[in-house]
Amino acid sequence: GENVEQHPSTLSVQEGDSAVIKCTYSDSASNYFPWYKQELGKRPQLIIDIRSNVGEKKDQRIAVTLNKTAKHFSLHITETQPEDSAVYFCVPSGGSYIPTFGRGTSLIVHP
Amino acid sequence: NAGVMQNPRHLVRRRGQEARLRCSPMKGHSHVYWYRQLPEEGLKFMVYLQKENIIDESGMPKERFSAEFPKEGPSILRIQQVVRGDSAAYFCASSPGQGSRNEQFFGPGTRLTVL
Repeated sequence: GENVEQHPSTLSVQEGDSAVIKCTYSDSASNYFPWYKQELGKRPQLIIDIRSNVGEKKDQRIAVTLNKTAKHFSLHITETQPEDSAVYFCVPSGGSYIPTFGRGTSLIVHP
Repeated sequence: NAGVMQNPRHLVRRRGQEARLRCSPMKGHSHVYWYRQLPEEGLKFMVYLQKENIIDESGMPKERFSAEFPKEGPSILRIQQVVRGDSAAYFCASSPGQGSRNEQFFGPGTRLTVL
């Protein structure tokens, strides 16, 4: 099965700073790389995804970069705001039926 | 288009009772996944279903747990003879295609507490 690791497990930044979360995976057949955001007590929601034929994707303050050779992809958030505070999960998948969630990164943005 | 619905949102059971969790996918979605989440942990895959078929149940304990997605009606996750270790949040997600290749839309979750 897929082995997924996220780093860091906790990230504390000041409002306006940038945040980067890295996800490494093991299954070379993975071809779909989404990031989900889960606020406290809420459901996970997709914030950005990328497929293996693309190296980078950007949506306003959020971007994802993919290095398929090294088997990792990263979430970049610029100009962080307090409402970005949440747990972020990477879910590299496509090699099997089963989406494998990382353990999550808790992002805390201090006003 | 209503989102994914789950009920009940909170469920309290005593040890040995049965818990029945329901999930109605988004309209037009025929792929349903169930996950379990313990506090401060990620989501653990339990079972993947399509209408009337269990595609993969490798993440679900073989005893006491079962799932179905009938032709009509919601998907059901059933836990028999609950134990304290079953206390968790259970999320379902639906997708228009295979969830490992498409966005998954999550329900609000059912928080199960076993006394």
